[in-house]
Amino acid sequence: LAKTTQPISMDSYEGQEVNITCSHNNIATNDYITWYQQFPSQGPRFIIQGYKTKVTNEVASLFIPADRKSSTLSLPRVSLSDTAVYYCLVGENSGYSTLTFGKGTMLLVSP
Amino acid sequence: ETGVTQSPTHLIKTRGQQVTLRCSSQSGHNTVSWYQQALGQGPQFIFQYYREEENGRGNFPPRFSGLQFPNYSSELNVNALELDDSALYLCASSPDTGAHNEQFFGPGTRLTVL
Repeated sequence: LAKTTQPISMDSYEGQEVNITCSHNNIATNDYITWYQQFPSQGPRFIIQGYKTKVTNEVASLFIPADRKSSTLSLPRVSLSDTAVYYCLVGENSGYSTLTFGKGTMLLVSP
Repeated sequence: ETGVTQSPTHLIKTRGQQVTLRCSSQSGHNTVSWYQQALGQGPQFIFQYYREEENGRGNFPPRFSGLQFPNYSSELNVNALELDDSALYLCASSPDTGAHNEQFFGPGTRLTVL
């Protein structure tokens, strides 16, 4: 499974755009890139997933360059409720799925 | 549509005891995965069940075992509890195997081993 590296923590203010970059240098051809969000004492929640280029949904955008060795989660106009841990995962579309979580990025949004 | 539910919410056990945690998967999902999350760490994959068969296992000893039932609900059993087993145990269901499938997590069971 591809290993991911992301910042341990980030700080932001309400209304700002936040970009969290994840490095995954040994990503395999069949790997998807997935981001999850986790609030304290809750299970992780799916945010967005992509394979290449750009993906956008109602809460975030995911930018993936052509070499796919990194990806950037973009959260537009964050609010206090976006304070959470964000995990970047790279998974194989193989016989079984397993999500390998690192320590994630703790995003703190201040007023 | 009912989401993933887990029971109990909290549990306190002593070293050496056994514990069973339960998970009801989301409707239509045939795959259940279990994770252990220690304080300050990301979730660690324990094992996955697909249509009542174990379909993959992480780096956990055999005293961690599981079951999946015909309705796709699941149990996690831990024997001979150790202090380090204290953690949040998460269950996640997905519509199929394959890492591209979105996994839907339950709220977790907080296990404390004294």
